[in-house]
Amino acid sequence: RKEVEQDPGPFNVPEGATVAFNCTYSNSASQSFFWYRQDCRKEPKLLMSVYSSGNEDGRFTAQLNRASQYISLLIRDSKLSDSATYLCVVNSGSGSARQLTFGSGTQLTVLP
Amino acid sequence: SQTIHQWPATLVQPVGSPLSLECTVEGTSNPNLYWYRQAAGRGLQLLFYSVGIGQISSEVPQNLSASRPQDRQFILSSKKLLLSESGFYLCAWSGQNNSPLHFGNGTRLTVT
Repeated sequence: RKEVEQDPGPFNVPEGATVAFNCTYSNSASQSFFWYRQDCRKEPKLLMSVYSSGNEDGRFTAQLNRASQYISLLIRDSKLSDSATYLCVVNSGSGSARQLTFGSGTQLTVLP
Repeated sequence: SQTIHQWPATLVQPVGSPLSLECTVEGTSNPNLYWYRQAAGRGLQLLFYSVGIGQISSEVPQNLSASRPQDRQFILSSKKLLLSESGFYLCAWSGQNNSPLHFGNGTRLTVT
């Protein structure tokens, strides 16, 4: 089983739709979680950290379910500019890069 | 605020030629530094990370090496490039503990 698994998609949704991505992780000792966005041929950019109580940033909501070992990202009112690959990142260590694991990414295309 | 600079943005090199990619971080001290590679259509592969000057950890056996001559400078090198080393090379930094990664703009390397 991979340490971090994401549905690769692609997810093709119309503008204005709500879309959700899940990411499962295998190490129950994982301590911190993040969502990144990567545009084609660009570097990944931090979208948001994921906090235990869940957190929201505008149209984006991130949640953590430790019991089931997954994190989720919900995008409401999708915009064309949301089209990108979304990467989940799980850190099961304390500051050590060896425990920072990236998912393979979920591709989202928002259609006009 | 913290910034990360990586250069060059693109590079075309013949097989067997040397490589040197440089990355510098500004606005922070004692960052953790990382080199990742992303092959076309693939996920991120951690190559090296460093928690301090002269401290380099390698994640995968390979033809590449890394050095950290100064606190905020990270260099990726190769004496003789292989065709398989074409890809998108990303430098990143993070603070301590559970802080997220912040990536440079990346270098797109094509080995011909």
